[in-house]
Amino acid sequence: GENVGLHLPTLSVQEGDNSIINCAYSNSASDYFIWYKQESGKGPQFIIDIRSNMDKRQGQRVTVLLNKTVKHLSLQIAATQPGDSAVYFCGQGDQGGKLIFGQGTELSVKP
Amino acid sequence: DAGVIQSPRHEVTEMGQEVTLRCKPISGHNSLFWYRQTMMRGLELLIYFNNNVPIDDSGMPEDRFSAKMPNASFSTLKIQPSEPRDSAVYFCASRFGSGANVLTFGAGSRLTVL
Repeated sequence: GENVGLHLPTLSVQEGDNSIINCAYSNSASDYFIWYKQESGKGPQFIIDIRSNMDKRQGQRVTVLLNKTVKHLSLQIAATQPGDSAVYFCGQGDQGGKLIFGQGTELSVKP
Repeated sequence: DAGVIQSPRHEVTEMGQEVTLRCKPISGHNSLFWYRQTMMRGLELLIYFNNNVPIDDSGMPEDRFSAKMPNASFSTLKIQPSEPRDSAVYFCASRFGSGANVLTFGAGSRLTVL
């Protein structure tokens, strides 16, 4: 469906704490799910992805969890740093290659 | 590699004018995507191409929008005539292959229609 909203959801965390960014999705037929990070004035950058047949995947300081029962995806960032401040988008893709994104969550890291 | 290159980076135009946004994908990438980003609607997929062929243009807002990919190294997104509600940041992205391969975004073209 469409992503319509006047304000981005925001999350404010203290430097050094862990961050959890959540995303609900609608298309159960997606082949994979993905997280991108967008810093101010730049294009989105890939962080991590997960196949639909998995429920957890870890990267460097990041972990993505997928709960297909409730159609929920989360991104966990360990030891959040000021450089992690950005807008984070979850996305879902199909085997044909189409990739669509959710609304985005703004993460603000307080020093 | 210089990454995905978009031009212009900024454009200000008047309502009714034609706007052409350009994209050069990463060499060797065979899929290209156009997205539009606004505060109200987030990051919307407009159209994507595989091997220069449009695969899904269901996100193109209306007939005023058109996209072409004449060869593997160039794509355009055209708006004619432009309207103030078209003001947004337009992103081009490319990837190698299809499916779950990583999409690399350009820096975007910020369009303001007065």
